[in-house]
Amino acid sequence: EVQLVESGGDLVQPGGSLRLSCAASGFTLSRHWMHWVRQDPGKGLVWVSHINFDGSTTRYADSVQGRFTISRDNAENTLFLEMNRLRVEDTGVYYCARVRYGGYDFDYWGQGTLVTVSS
Amino acid sequence: DIQLTQSPSFLSASVGDRVTITCRASQGISSSLAWYQQKPGKAPQVLIYAASILQSGVPSRFTGSGSGTEFTLTIYSLQPEDFATYYCQQLNSYPRTFGQGTRLDIK
Repeated sequence: EVQLVESGGDLVQPGGSLRLSCAASGFTLSRHWMHWVRQDPGKGLVWVSHINFDGSTTRYADSVQGRFTISRDNAENTLFLEMNRLRVEDTGVYYCARVRYGGYDFDYWGQGTLVTVSS
Repeated sequence: DIQLTQSPSFLSASVGDRVTITCRASQGISSSLAWYQQKPGKAPQVLIYAASILQSGVPSRFTGSGSGTEFTLTIYSLQPEDFATYYCQQLNSYPRTFGQGTRLDIK
């Protein structure tokens, strides 16, 4: 069974840092592109970042470029999101999501981890 | 960036109704569109990908159509478990944008 389990969400002050993890099981992580998606409280979905199979290519939303870093450890079946210089507007539930072969959609999502940026 | 606009944003319907949600892209995206369903407190789940392919295990009352800039998700004969929020997403280019969502409530 494919599972994605996020962790690392917390309450942090503006300007602080967090590292989110996404533990993958039930499939071979190295065979899939992966993404992070944020959901603002009570609002819609916002794409955050993407990483290719081996981490050689990454993409970011303009709002997080230069502050967030996506990475992966395929040997440990884990995806990461390093979040620095956090802002109040980064608050939300962060989901990791797997890309289906062929890139058609995000076919599996984790349950999400809550990041709250507040003083 | 490609903008996706869903209409309507809110929809009230009854069990057994047929409903249609539209997703319009600000530029052509071929068939690179997916539809997701999200229930409160849960992660989104894919319903349709590549504009019209039904995800395995999703009931056949869900259908997707369209290409280019206009897409639709139709739910035939609404069931109680279908009341949720629906999102479209384009996978043609980065950033991988989502529509703002359509909340489907019971009338």
